[in-house]
Amino acid sequence: DADVTQTPRNRITKTGKRIMLECSQTKGHDRMYWYRQDPGLGLRLIYYSFDVKDINKGEISDGYSVSRQAQAKFSLSLESAIPNQTALYFCATSDAGQHQPQHFGDGTRLSIL
Amino acid sequence: AQSVTQLDSQVPVFEEAPVELRCNYSSSVSVYLFWYVQYPNQGLQLLLKYLSGSTLVKGINGFEAEFNKSQTSFHLRKPSVHISDTAEYFCAVSEQAAGNKLTFGGGTRVLVKP
Repeated sequence: DADVTQTPRNRITKTGKRIMLECSQTKGHDRMYWYRQDPGLGLRLIYYSFDVKDINKGEISDGYSVSRQAQAKFSLSLESAIPNQTALYFCATSDAGQHQPQHFGDGTRLSIL
Repeated sequence: AQSVTQLDSQVPVFEEAPVELRCNYSSSVSVYLFWYVQYPNQGLQLLLKYLSGSTLVKGINGFEAEFNKSQTSFHLRKPSVHISDTAEYFCAVSEQAAGNKLTFGGGTRVLVKP
């Protein structure tokens, strides 16, 4: 079983719909992250959480919100989806400590029509 | 603010030939440096990281990278590639004293040809 699981893996929806992407992890890490990947732009940080009570905005948080339901669960919501939010979304986790590497899920491919 | 530039968006290479992927970064403080690989339809996996010490870092699958502080570079190399190395490669930096938030480069797609 994967250590970092993202659901769904693929989603097609319409403009204006509310969407939730879910991430769960079995690694026991405190820190969790949401990124979006766009061709040529690499990955950009949307939100991150260093523990259950700590939520921080990343580089591109506008139009997104998150919820840290438990140490193992971190969900990303698009309140009213728009076409330029079409992208590949990744959840990642890490141990505390500045040099700890991040561990990624397999991604959610989101298309907004 | 830190930034990362990967100079080549695509690198075609023949099997068993060497490959070098270039990465330059800018930051006003000390950084940690990472290379990740993304195989098709998968998430990112850590190849190697530079934290301190020796500037030549060895990673998994025969990859290595060299940190050059004066040139603010962290180029990735492999002396002989395999078909299975076809993937996208991302350079990333994390500023010390800024938690472990990563800033990624735009990625380099490597296509290994037989």
